[in-house]
Amino acid sequence: DTGVSQDPRHKITKRGQNVTFRCDPISEHNRLYWYRQTLGQGPEFLTYFQNEAQLEKSRLLSDRFSAERPKGSFSTLEIQRTEQGDSAMYLCASSLYRGPSYEQYFGPGTRLTVT
Amino acid sequence: TQLLEQSPQFLSIQEGENLTVYCNSSSVFSSLQWYRQEPGEGPVLLVTVVTGGEVKKLKRLTFQFGDARKDSSLHITAAQPGDTGLYLCAGAGTASKLTFGTGTRLQVTL
Repeated sequence: DTGVSQDPRHKITKRGQNVTFRCDPISEHNRLYWYRQTLGQGPEFLTYFQNEAQLEKSRLLSDRFSAERPKGSFSTLEIQRTEQGDSAMYLCASSLYRGPSYEQYFGPGTRLTVT
Repeated sequence: TQLLEQSPQFLSIQEGENLTVYCNSSSVFSSLQWYRQEPGEGPVLLVTVVTGGEVKKLKRLTFQFGDARKDSSLHITAAQPGDTGLYLCAGAGTASKLTFGTGTRLQVTL
């Protein structure tokens, strides 16, 4: 296993279109996270799953955003009716509980540009 | 809301110099992780510190977790151009999600 993978790496879309991103975590990891990172900032938490259950969603995740992890393996993040403010790097991370800390391993990200 | 402040925000130094990056918060974290990020890529985990007062070394990098588990520092000895990148600290709370600092952009020149 080579780590967390994300697809696509880059996406350019017009305002109002829907987009979907995919994340494949490290195979034995039971937790999967989505973050968003804008230029010059650190990543911000969006949501996370334990197996197939979505356990927490940030207030940043508006109604236009939906995430799924149907079989507890890969996850998808969909943005409906994209807006220019959605332009950002969308990062996926996965983790496996190890004692008191969850070490999270990140994928390469999907860079979204909304024109 | 848990906030992590990093300082300095930008650092430009010459090869061979030493530097320290600070990560401070008013909140207690169950663990703290340091990442390095290259442009256009995801963050790469460098180290996790869990115990207050803990010190971990990774070659020329030394990480320390504050006694109260609210702050941390990263010290690089004899910096090299390959150390260039964005350094991010991230605290893990009880919900396991990470709260990231604003980052320190390091440039090491020859």
